[in-house]
Amino acid sequence: QTVVTQEPSFSVSPGGTVTLTCGLSSGSVSTSYYPSWYQQTPGQAPRTLIYSTNTRSSGVPDRFSGSILGNKAALTITGAQADDESDYYCVLYMGSIRWVFGGGTKLTVL
Amino acid sequence: EVQLVQSGAEVKKPGESLKISCKGSGYSFTSYWIGWVRQMPGKGLEWMGIIYPGDSDTRYSPSFQGQVTISADKSISTAYLQWSSLKASDTAMYYCARHNYDILTGYYYMDVWGKGTTVTVSS
Repeated sequence: QTVVTQEPSFSVSPGGTVTLTCGLSSGSVSTSYYPSWYQQTPGQAPRTLIYSTNTRSSGVPDRFSGSILGNKAALTITGAQADDESDYYCVLYMGSIRWVFGGGTKLTVL
Repeated sequence: EVQLVQSGAEVKKPGESLKISCKGSGYSFTSYWIGWVRQMPGKGLEWMGIIYPGDSDTRYSPSFQGQVTISADKSISTAYLQWSSLKASDTAMYYCARHNYDILTGYYYMDVWGKGTTVTVSS
């Protein structure tokens, strides 16, 4: 079974820029996987950030952006703020009306 | 306002059955897929499966096929996730999520989430 890979953890300084990635255990991520990104803070439901690779969900600030970098999907946070400290999950569309989540990245802002 | 309201926390014993719910409001319930996502304690999100309430077309992740049943009652705008015989390993938070259609790409993404239902299975 295909595994969706993410960095387990990442840290960024306040005001800094960080890029989280989302790959496949076998193969490359392309726009055909329609990658989406979700933010989750402890005790809360996930929040949709990005869908279809690079479209921001309603109300999401433009310091969050999505792209394909090399063979992975990427989420870039520009000008990181303290309240960006969260878990971030990518999801890839696997065809046949099925999706798979990555393992998530715990982002620390310090 | 588009909302998904999930049923309350459940505490069950191994072997018992359970059905949790997710009620949609503020939109045409029959026109959007509704999916279920599991989050075990301290772990990540796992996509379980999905249903289209308009015609009850249902798909499952291979990891969850045969382990749970997803259903919907469109007359009351409610989707369900059920177990016939719970195990301790079913202890988790379960979220429902509406899958919206992106008209630019022709595919779907999760755009509205319920607050989650905690299921605890313990003897």
